[in-house]
Amino acid sequence: AQTVTQSQPEMSVQEAETVTLSCTYDTSESDYYLFWYKQPPSRQMILVIRQEAYKQQNATENRFSVNFQKAAKSFSLKISDSQLGDAAMYFCAYRSPISSGSARQLTFGSGTQLTVLP
Amino acid sequence: GAVVSQHPSRVICKSGTSVKIECRSLDFQATTMFWYRQFPKQSLMLMATSNEGSKATYEQGVEKDKFLINHASLTLSTLTVTSAHPEDSSFYICSARVLQNIQYFGAGTRLSVL
Repeated sequence: AQTVTQSQPEMSVQEAETVTLSCTYDTSESDYYLFWYKQPPSRQMILVIRQEAYKQQNATENRFSVNFQKAAKSFSLKISDSQLGDAAMYFCAYRSPISSGSARQLTFGSGTQLTVLP
Repeated sequence: GAVVSQHPSRVICKSGTSVKIECRSLDFQATTMFWYRQFPKQSLMLMATSNEGSKATYEQGVEKDKFLINHASLTLSTLTVTSAHPEDSSFYICSARVLQNIQYFGAGTRLSVL
């Protein structure tokens, strides 16, 4: 079974600064999908960014980018120019490929609570 | 992105009563929906996978008779918490998978059982 580990329960960053959230995972599969979701105080889960394992290029979405290290099974999220609205719980998630025959659910990490300081 | 509507957002009920939570995909069809439970300051725990037109697949340790799931159409899945007790109080979230392997989530339902 796949596992996802987020070793930082809490992080803080000064507004306009950059912060990196860590995520590692364990899998024997070669093709899979990785995601970062944010959950603000409203508790609505919002997709931040996604990465297909077969793509070597790191995904980028505006101020959000990932550092995907497949061999190391690492998938960190970098938030640049942090804004107050970025404050939320961030979850890293793993999903197997359809071809694996496994159910198509997400496996979540334990989350990192990000505080943005004004 | 795709919109998933979850209703109600908050429900308070007496112990022993049943509560139904609806999850709708508003602008797409979802053959598969997922139901999660989340305790305060914790991660999402998958309860079951809801498949349109067939029985739901429950995760180990989740009582299928306690948490009834119905996925009668391509846009609606329901979770019924039967004979609710205080220990069932939690935050329940549904999601639906769309193209490109992305899951979109409902806004969640906070259940409080008195």
